Amino acid sequence: DQQVKQNSPSLSVQEGRISILNCDYTNSMFDYFLWYKKYPAEGPTFLISISSIKDKNEDGRFTVFLNKSAKHLSLHIVPSQPGDSAVYFCAASGWDSNYQLIWGAGTKLIIKP
Amino acid sequence: EAQVTQNPRYLITVTGKKLTVTCSQNMNHEYMSWYRQDPGLGLRQIYYSMNVEVTDKGDVPEGYKVSRKEKRNFPLILESPSPNQTSLYFCASSLRGQNNQPQHFGDGTRLSIL
Repeated sequence: DQQVKQNSPSLSVQEGRISILNCDYTNSMFDYFLWYKKYPAEGPTFLISISSIKDKNEDGRFTVFLNKSAKHLSLHIVPSQPGDSAVYFCAASGWDSNYQLIWGAGTKLIIKP
Repeated sequence: EAQVTQNPRYLITVTGKKLTVTCSQNMNHEYMSWYRQDPGLGLRQIYYSMNVEVTDKGDVPEGYKVSRKEKRNFPLILESPSPNQTSLYFCASSLRGQNNQPQHFGDGTRLSIL
């Protein structure tokens, strides 16, 4: 049973608009969440993270929101640019995963010009 | 340039023929990890190492071995590969094995076991 779920395999967004990628988790013991971005033929690269003591973290065009009661986090990209086209992975960790990362299946974001 | 290097990048081999995928990092990181990525499943951890001579099983360790004799290298060994180990493999490292430290990834190794 997947503890971290990204229910949208793909998402298409117009350039300049907002991209919203969603991630749900089932384990209430998770206390740290990360987003990674992956281009084809490359490894994932770290994008942004959030601790469970916060509900929002912002870094330039990227903002992550955490709703602990709903066990839901989202990544907002504003404005979306062609270089943002990639696969985005959500990952979570906590004491009962021995602080190892549990990953979602990924969402492929396509930015249309 | 700070990087995690995996070799080979691609390999097609046959069932039962032992193989090793090497991983090396030049950042003096203590923590290293191996993942496999399969369609619809995201990344699943195979083994990880908190430091030299310290290794632990991840979620899917069956059929794999690792060693950490020196800080920079963390090879993944498939003693008797089987077709269900056909996958895309990633090695990663971070300064410490703490969840708030982002991991740096290699570019992946695509293994096909016939």
